[in-house]
Parts: sequence; structure tokens; C-alpha cells
Amino acid sequence: DAGVIQSPRHEVTEMGQEVTLRCKPISGHDYLFWYRQTMMRGLELLIYFNNNVPIDDSGMPEDRFSAKMPNASFSTLKIQPSEPRDSAVYFCASSRRYGYTFGSGTRLTVV
Amino acid sequence: KQEVTQIPAALSVPEGENLVLNCSFTDSAIYNLQWFRQDPGKGLTSLLLIQSSQREQTSGRLNASLDKSSGRSTLYIAASQPGDSATYLCALHALNFGKGTSLLVTP
Repeated sequence: DAGVIQSPRHEVTEMGQEVTLRCKPISGHDYLFWYRQTMMRGLELLIYFNNNVPIDDSGMPEDRFSAKMPNASFSTLKIQPSEPRDSAVYFCASSRRYGYTFGSGTRLTVV
Repeated sequence: KQEVTQIPAALSVPEGENLVLNCSFTDSAIYNLQWFRQDPGKGLTSLLLIQSSQREQTSGRLNASLDKSSGRSTLYIAASQPGDSATYLCALHALNFGKGTSLLVTP
């Protein structure tokens, strides 16, 4: 099992550009979570899906953020337009029942 | 919104010491509580999960307890080792995370 796979590992982009982060969950897991981690705010839940359906997106900070899960093996988190304050590490995690597995994260820097 | 607090924010101990990390939460109506470990530049690794009906879980030198009535959980690490150095986070249902305790175990 390759675990939860996130891409890219690092992303540097200019303010105003569109950024797309990708996540491949573990096969058979029916929950998928997106988080953002910063020194100031710690780890924050942005959105989570169950069986590809968004359940709670109350953590999505603004309309600039959107997430999709078109099938059980793929999810994207998109930021358009990006801003310097979006700089953070973004984690994806998947779960079946109670076992949560995190990806290695995408470090996003917006300059 | 459920608030999760971890104290202390940082801790340094000599190798071999037993130590306790604390986690408190504001709403006792929880489903489960997990302890995670995060190494620098890495994702989170699940250590222990306690269901709401349980009071503790053990794995090797780690023991986690849960007291819903007081809104507290503790992670006990026995005979600490330098390899235990990491940040430890507690989370409710993987939805609400504390900011973590950064642990340094010195040889």
C-alpha cells in the first residue's frame, strides 16, 4: 500500500495565480479530509468528503478555495486567485472507520 | 466550536524519563480522540485512538487515557528515548486538532 499520495510536494507561485493540489487516498477508504497547517493557527480542517460527497466545508476560508472529489481515488483542492496568506502546508488524509492516514503534505508558498 | 488545548506547548526531558502530555477539550460529547505524532517536515502518524466508550489505550511504551467528564486526555510516554522527539497532537474525530506539544528528548 503506497499510502495517501499528495502532489506536488512543494509549490511556489505568484500572487493571483491558480493553484491546484492533488490527493490520491488509500483504496477502500471512504472518508477524505483536507487540512491546512500554519505555525500561527496549527492544523485546521478545511473540508471532508464521505463516499465522494462533501460533508462539511465550513472550514474553507473563502470562496477562493474549492475542493472536488470526482471519484473515490482522486481529490483536488484549488485556490484561485492565490494570496500570500495562503502560504502553508496542506495535508490530505483518508480514513475507513477510525484509522486515519495522512499524506506527506504540499508546502505552498505564494509570493 | 469545540476547542482543543494542549499543554505544555514545548517540553524537554532527559532520556529515560517518563512523561505526560495533556490535552483538554471543551465539549464532552465526543465520538473519539486520537493522538498523533508529527516529525519535522512530515505528515501525521496515528499513535492511539480512544473511542468515547473507552477510558484508555496502550501501545508499547505509550498509554493514552480519556476522561470525558473532565474534558481531558493524557498521553503517557514511558522510558523516553531520543527517537521520541517530535510534535504530538491530539484530535477529536480528526476534525479538531490541538496545536501540539513539541517534545525533545536529550541523550
